[in-house]
Amino acid sequence: NAGVTQTPKFQVLKTGQSMTLQCAQDMNHNSMYWYRQDPGMGLRLIYYSASEGTTDKGEVPNGYNVSRLNKREFSLRLESAAPSQTSVYFCASSEDSARTNEKLFFGSGTQLSVL
Amino acid sequence: DAKTTQPPSMDCAEGRAANLPCNHSTISGNEYVYWYRQIHSQGPQYIIHGLKNNETNEMASLIITEDRKSSTLILPHATLRDTAVYYCIVRVFHGSGNTGKLIFGQGTTLQVKP
Repeated sequence: NAGVTQTPKFQVLKTGQSMTLQCAQDMNHNSMYWYRQDPGMGLRLIYYSASEGTTDKGEVPNGYNVSRLNKREFSLRLESAAPSQTSVYFCASSEDSARTNEKLFFGSGTQLSVL
Repeated sequence: DAKTTQPPSMDCAEGRAANLPCNHSTISGNEYVYWYRQIHSQGPQYIIHGLKNNETNEMASLIITEDRKSSTLILPHATLRDTAVYYCIVRVFHGSGNTGKLIFGQGTTLQVKP
C-alpha cells in the first residue's frame, strides 16, 4: 500500500523553466492538496481539490497551476519558475475535505531548487 | 482563524512519557485541535485530534482543558523513533466545502535521548 506518491523527489531548475510535480494516491480519497514548506514557515496550502473535477486556490497560489487528472492524480505546474519557489512541496490526500474528523495523509515531498 | 503556540524544543528520556503542550487561547467553538509530526523532513504524519473531550489512540493521548484554550499531547513511552517536530494545529470547519486547511505553526522539536 503506497499511500501518496510524489515524483520527482529532487529537482533543480533555472529561473524561467517550467515543470510539473506529480502526485498520486491509492486510497480512493476524494480530496487532494498541495502544500509548500519553507524554513521557519510551517506548511502553507497552495491549491486543493475537494473532489474530482474541482480545484480551488489556497493561501499561496500565485505562480502555480494544478490539474486534477482523475480521482487518483493531482499535479502541480510551475509555468515560469522563480527563486522564491525554492521549497519542499508536499502532496496530501483525505477522504473528504468537508468531514469534521478529516485526516490528511502526506507524501514524502519534492525538494525543488530554482537557481 | 485560531493560532497555536508551542515551545520550540523539548527533551525526553527514552521510555518516559513525553508531554507536549500547546496554547490555542483564541480557538473557537467549532475548531478541532490536531496533532501531526514530521520526522526528518518526511511528510507530516497524523497523530490524533479532538474537539472537547480527551482522546486516546494507539499512538498518543490528547488532553484538552475544559476552556479549550490549551492542550497536551502525551506519548506514553517515548522511543528514539519519536524524535521529530510535533505540530499542534487548529483546523477550522465551516460546514460544506471546508478545505481541510491546516494552520501550521513552528512546532516543537522533541529530542528523545537514550
